Amino acid sequence: AQSVTQPDIHITVSEGASLELRCNYSYGATPYLFWYVQSPGQGLQLLLKYFSGDTLVQGIKGFEAEFKRSQSSFNLRKPSVHWSDAAEYFCAVGASQYNTDKLIFGTGTRLQVFP
Amino acid sequence: GAGVSQTPSNKVTEKGKYVELRCDPISGHTALYWYRQSLGQGPEFLIYFQGTGAADDSGLPNDRFFAVRPEGSVSTLKIQRTERGDSAVYLCASSLLSQGAEQYFGPGTRLTVT
Repeated sequence: AQSVTQPDIHITVSEGASLELRCNYSYGATPYLFWYVQSPGQGLQLLLKYFSGDTLVQGIKGFEAEFKRSQSSFNLRKPSVHWSDAAEYFCAVGASQYNTDKLIFGTGTRLQVFP
Repeated sequence: GAGVSQTPSNKVTEKGKYVELRCDPISGHTALYWYRQSLGQGPEFLIYFQGTGAADDSGLPNDRFFAVRPEGSVSTLKIQRTERGDSAVYLCASSLLSQGAEQYFGPGTRLTVT
């Protein structure tokens, strides 16, 4: 069965520091991979997605992610974190079996940013 | 343009009662999804509509949960005989019908069963 693991429940960084959020997936075929961000009281917003092609994907708000098939990983990175990046981040895999495109989410990583 | 909207934003109900949660997708989006997000967890898939029909309802936890989308636009998630364990945020998302299309999420309905 498809699954997504986000090993870090909570991460704290200083503003201006670099960031990497880890994501590992389990999926038999070539996955569709997504990173979403959820701010308090807000809906989920798509940061970036990977379908095929270049394994380094650029997203909004200065985020990028790299797909590594050999490691079954899709880690999210940002070179310099801003205080406004504090939120919950979810990695998801698109389970396109039967063409439903339902998303399977990880449990999330809460990012806290100190000034 | 208008995004996905959900009503009500909050719903408090007593155990055993019936509730309906409404989702208005983005105009023109033929695919509609319901997810449930419990505290401290990621969203969990419930059901997927392609047009008016439920193409995948494998995530519905039991037969107390039912969803409809009679005209291929607005959808209603219905929960009968609510239980305290049903308390969660219910999220709706819509997308254009193409494989891997971005799903746009609504703000959710927070359901509390007392």
